[in-house]
Formats: sequence, C-alpha cells, structure tokens
Amino acid sequence: NAGVTQTPKFRILKIGQSMTLQCAQDMNHNYMYWYRQDPGMGLKLIYYSVGAGITDKGEVPNGYNVSRSTTEDFPLRLELAAPSQTSVYFCASTDSQGIQYFGAGTRLSVL
Amino acid sequence: DAKTTQPPSMDCAEGRAANLPCNHSTISGNEYVYWYRQIHSQGPQYIIHGLKNNETNEMASLIITEDRKSSTLILPHATLRDTAVYYCIVRGAGGSQGNLIFGKGTKLSVKP
Repeated sequence: NAGVTQTPKFRILKIGQSMTLQCAQDMNHNYMYWYRQDPGMGLKLIYYSVGAGITDKGEVPNGYNVSRSTTEDFPLRLELAAPSQTSVYFCASTDSQGIQYFGAGTRLSVL
Repeated sequence: DAKTTQPPSMDCAEGRAANLPCNHSTISGNEYVYWYRQIHSQGPQYIIHGLKNNETNEMASLIITEDRKSSTLILPHATLRDTAVYYCIVRGAGGSQGNLIFGKGTKLSVKP
C-alpha cells in the first residue's frame, strides 16, 4: 500500500496564482483532513471530509477550497495565492481505530 | 478532547531508553492516549495508542498510570533517527472523532 500520497512535493507560486494540491489514499478511509504547518508551529486544520461528497471547514479555511468526489481523492484548491499561505501542507486519513496516516507534505512558497 | 502537558525538550544518549512523560489529568473514561512523532519536515507518524492497559509494539511501549492521568512513552534503545518532536494526544477512538489537535510536543534530541 502506498498510504497517503501528496503531490507536488514543492511548489513556488506568485501572488495571485492558483493551484491544486493533490492528495490520494489507497486505504479506503472515509475520513480525510488537510492541515497546514507554519515554521516552528503546530498543525492547523484547514478542511476535512467524512466521506465522498461531504466536506467541512476546519480552523483556518479562508483562501482554500476542497472537494471529495471519490473516497480516494481529497484535493485542496488555493485561489489567489497570498504570502500568508506559504506553509507546509499535510493531508491525512483516519482508520477505524482513529489512527491518522499522513502524507509527506507539500512545501509551498508564495512570493 | 482533554488537554495534555509535555516537557518542551529532552535529551537522551544513543542506545539508552528514552522516557517521554505526558500529563492528561482531565482525560475522560472513553478517551485514548495517542502518541505521534514528527521528524524534521516530515509528516507526523503514528507510534502507539492505548486506553488503560500498557501497550507495546515494534516501535515503543506506552505506560498509562492506573488513574489514567498521565502516561509515559518509552523508546527502549534510542537511536539518532529517533530525534523528533513527540506529541501526546488524547481523544476518543475511531475515525469519527475528528482531527488531531497537536500541542507543542516534546523535542527529543538523541545524542551520540
């Protein structure tokens, strides 16, 4: 099993550009999450999903959008990128025991 | 979810046991103790979890006090690769219990 796969690993955006961070899991987990982690800080929840077709906001959703058309995929969309969105983004999914599995992260710089 | 308290940092000599404490005095009866770690710039990694009995797996042991108000993660033979931030998280079990709330954790430095 590949687990949770995130692409791309690195990206540099110009202010105002848009992009989609991809996340896929092959463990058939219903629950999926997007976190961001700023340097030296903890993880903050952006959006989460409890299953295909169902998403909800987390602690810091402004400037982001998500969709969940399949169980496997949970892409995160950044519209009109801003320097404040420079961060490391982690996607995760949860199994039936509550164990969360994280991807390797996407390091995003907005310049 | 109950709040946890961990020391900000600890050192451990390579090859020795690393004992990482966590206080969770407000834990409720159906909440589990989970431990994760984050090696620099990588995604957090699950280590172990338990309810009230001590648990052991290939990575670590988890000792939970009888009153469940504190626990200790034990890495029996720490290596340099165990240098990471370790997070103790208390939450209900199961996928429906929502996201993990990460505190500041304990930065463990394993030294040669």
